[in-house]
Amino acid sequence: DSGVTQTPKHLITATGQRVTLRCSPRSGDLSVYWYQQSLDQGLQFLIQYYNGEERAKGNILERFSAQQFPDLHSELNLSSLELGDSALYFCASSPRDRAYNEQFFGPGTRLTVL
Amino acid sequence: KNEVEQSPQNLTAQEGEFITINCSYSVGISALHWLQQHPGGGIVSLFMLSSGKKKHGRLIATINIQEKHSSLHITASHPRDSAVYICAVSPGSGTYKYIFGTGTRLKVLA
Repeated sequence: DSGVTQTPKHLITATGQRVTLRCSPRSGDLSVYWYQQSLDQGLQFLIQYYNGEERAKGNILERFSAQQFPDLHSELNLSSLELGDSALYFCASSPRDRAYNEQFFGPGTRLTVL
Repeated sequence: KNEVEQSPQNLTAQEGEFITINCSYSVGISALHWLQQHPGGGIVSLFMLSSGKKKHGRLIATINIQEKHSSLHITASHPRDSAVYICAVSPGSGTYKYIFGTGTRLKVLA
């Protein structure tokens, strides 16, 4: 158990819908990272937050957005869902905002868009 | 060409065999990570390396910074080692994201 929690574990929805994925980092960790793992693309970095502020952006679509709240939990919002958004979404946390980081991964949310 | 390449993509071994998984990268890094992803999907960090060699139980990870290459070795492999092993790098450019390899799917047969 990494100490990072993600809810829900599974999510099934329809195209065009909007969903929110939630992540609670390890106690004391200030950085949260979101990753997408699809069958054909492998793991891809989406976005990073540090202590409430956006720190880095990766291959995140405009239909997706995220935020980190004062209690440090983070939410990833996915809207106008398409079939291709079906994937495993992981969040990870680390103590600081440093290049030499070990990240601790949550169990993931499996999103299925029908 | 991906910035992080792994080989082999798939590997089947008999229980007890010595296994090597390779990772090559083309970017400057501050650290390299080996991750294990079990069939259920969960990801566990095995090693974080910036130089030399680390050992944990039957797992050994090495890195050669000059050659931009790392290896993960599993000694006396066991069916419970069956998983996807992913190499990831923390670029040294000031960004803190991981860049991932495509993973090596290992199956160890009893």
